[in-house]
Amino acid sequence: TQLLEQSPQFLSIQEGENLTVYCNSSSVFSSLQWYRQEPGEGPVLLVTVVTGGEVKKLKRLTFQFGDARKDSSLHITAAQPGDTGLYLCAGARNTGNQFYFGTGTSLTVIP
Amino acid sequence: EPEVTQTPSHQVTQMGQEVILRCVPISNHLYFYWYRQILGQKVEFLVSFYNNEISEKSEIFDDQFSVERPDGSNFTLKIRSTKLEDSAMYFCASSRDKNTEAFFGQGTRLTVV
Repeated sequence: TQLLEQSPQFLSIQEGENLTVYCNSSSVFSSLQWYRQEPGEGPVLLVTVVTGGEVKKLKRLTFQFGDARKDSSLHITAAQPGDTGLYLCAGARNTGNQFYFGTGTSLTVIP
Repeated sequence: EPEVTQTPSHQVTQMGQEVILRCVPISNHLYFYWYRQILGQKVEFLVSFYNNEISEKSEIFDDQFSVERPDGSNFTLKIRSTKLEDSAMYFCASSRDKNTEAFFGQGTRLTVV
């Protein structure tokens, strides 16, 4: 059973376009992280959201946590080739001690 | 900036051999994790560790796997008798508190031949 589903799985866009990546679940999470991973490297933490409805901005990246803390989105404005990578959401629940990773969205920004 | 470090970056081993993957978590972190990622697949949880004991483990983490914190800084993952399907990137992570943000190392690429 996949706890966190991300969509789209693959995304290829032109430089300058906007995009949104979604991370959905039927489960409630106490916190949710977004990571970016480059080939052959470890996931790099971008942001953590903990409060339902929370919105965080990181330069051209906007992260939102759903009101019910079951879903999240990542919006990138004016994408650049340097944004290319695998974007992963990961959620933590009140029970247990692990982070559940999403299926990932592979983004390619074409110059 | 503090970071999680892993060694070696690459490890090639013969099937049936034992391997130990090493990690140095961020110094003031209390929770430690091992994840793995088979090429082209999603990041899978193996085990979490707190207060010198395993706090949670997945079905993947069977009797062939063990973790240890041999001293105050290192956190190791041992695979006793490697199988071909153990080939993957293994990531160590640490977090300061339970289920707060986790920081990942660069990974060890394990290839079993």
